[in-house]
Amino acid sequence: NAGVTQTPKFQVLKTGQSMTLQCAQDMNHEYMSWYRQDPGMGLRLIHYSVGAGITDQGEVPNGYNVSRSTTEDFPLRLLSAAPSQTSVYFCASTRSRNYGYTFGSGTRLTVV
Amino acid sequence: GEDVEQSLFLSVREGDSSVINCTYTDSSSTYLYWYKQEPGAGLQLLTYIFSNMDMKQDQRLTVLLNKKDKHLSLRIADTQTGDSAIYFCAETNPSGYALNFGKGTSLLVTP
Repeated sequence: NAGVTQTPKFQVLKTGQSMTLQCAQDMNHEYMSWYRQDPGMGLRLIHYSVGAGITDQGEVPNGYNVSRSTTEDFPLRLLSAAPSQTSVYFCASTRSRNYGYTFGSGTRLTVV
Repeated sequence: GEDVEQSLFLSVREGDSSVINCTYTDSSSTYLYWYKQEPGAGLQLLTYIFSNMDMKQDQRLTVLLNKKDKHLSLRIADTQTGDSAIYFCAETNPSGYALNFGKGTSLLVTP
């Protein structure tokens, strides 16, 4: 049981490049979400999903796309990276609110 | 979304108790959480409390909830140097399927 797995752990992108941050969970959790963490800002919600085929926007969705084709995977796509997207990205999942959310170990992204 | 407020820093001596405070504004929140983040790591769920509870105790951790004032606190008894970390308060967001976080309280435990 690996929990929530995020890849890559580190990434450097040039402005304008695109990439996908991967998130996979093996706990059969329906609910998954993406957050970004910036110094002094806490964690802010980017997008979330309540099940395969269902996604919705969070607090800071601009510049990011998501899809949920399977229960296990919830990738986050940066279409055209900008320096403002330099951050640490966390993926989380839960099967129910009263069970708490399990977080991945994060992806540290730098856009130059 | 609604705001979750926390003080940014707390310093305590080893062996003392630590109290980390949080206020939230969304009265519809049903669950409130405390997470711990060590340097360079992800978030670890410490404990959570349902909004119809006043207190929850789990070993060295005590969570107190004052629904009238929308105030949540985390007390760590016998604080150890290994407790040094950032502690985040979080509530379920209006959708109910994700979390709103405070900015985190950095706890420093000195010998």
